[in-house]
Amino acid sequence: EAQVTQNPRYLITVTGKKLTVTCSQNMNHEYMSWYRQDPGLGLRQIYYSMNVEVTDKGDVPEGYKVSRKEKRNFPLILESPSPNQTSLYFCASSRSKNEKLFFGSGTQLSVL
Amino acid sequence: DQQVKQNSPSLSVQEGRISILNCDYTNSMFDYFLWYKKYPAEGPTFLISISSIKDKNEDGRFTVFLNKSAKHLSLHIVPSQPGDSAVYFCAASASPGTGANNLFFGTGTRLTVIP
Repeated sequence: EAQVTQNPRYLITVTGKKLTVTCSQNMNHEYMSWYRQDPGLGLRQIYYSMNVEVTDKGDVPEGYKVSRKEKRNFPLILESPSPNQTSLYFCASSRSKNEKLFFGSGTQLSVL
Repeated sequence: DQQVKQNSPSLSVQEGRISILNCDYTNSMFDYFLWYKKYPAEGPTFLISISSIKDKNEDGRFTVFLNKSAKHLSLHIVPSQPGDSAVYFCAASASPGTGANNLFFGTGTRLTVIP
């Protein structure tokens, strides 16, 4: 089954404790991206990747890192999480930039 | 500044009637528009898209209309069904080479279809 898998679904952590949210897709998609969803702000792009070893900032990249060492994986790294990074995070992939995105089920992150 | 706006946070419609969800954008470089549907505890799923060279695209019960001069698009669902109850996101992007690499999303409209 074609899917985007992100883990964990729920994560509670404390300020400053490094964490990684994993994302994997099995569709051989070149394009992957991370979004965060906040009330009243919709979905905002954090980072995107056009292909392996090619990443770029989206709208709200501050406080986040990503890597794309393999085509299928695109982890989101928070080196020193802060409470304003409490949000619902979605990973997504597509064959190319302007094609429809396939989203993961989301990761609800709470930073205390 | 929100480049894609959905000014109605919620909409309630009777089953069988038409649902019309609206979306406005400010960036004239946008040339590709999409609608996504999101159920609780799930990621958004693609619903329908339209290129700026068209003014209408239809897929079953779903039709998207694009008015480029007004920078406005709308999603029509006819007839509405209870299973259509979800949050609908409008999104827009610009072609490669225009300098914009993002897909910009609106804030979403929660549609409730009343049986």
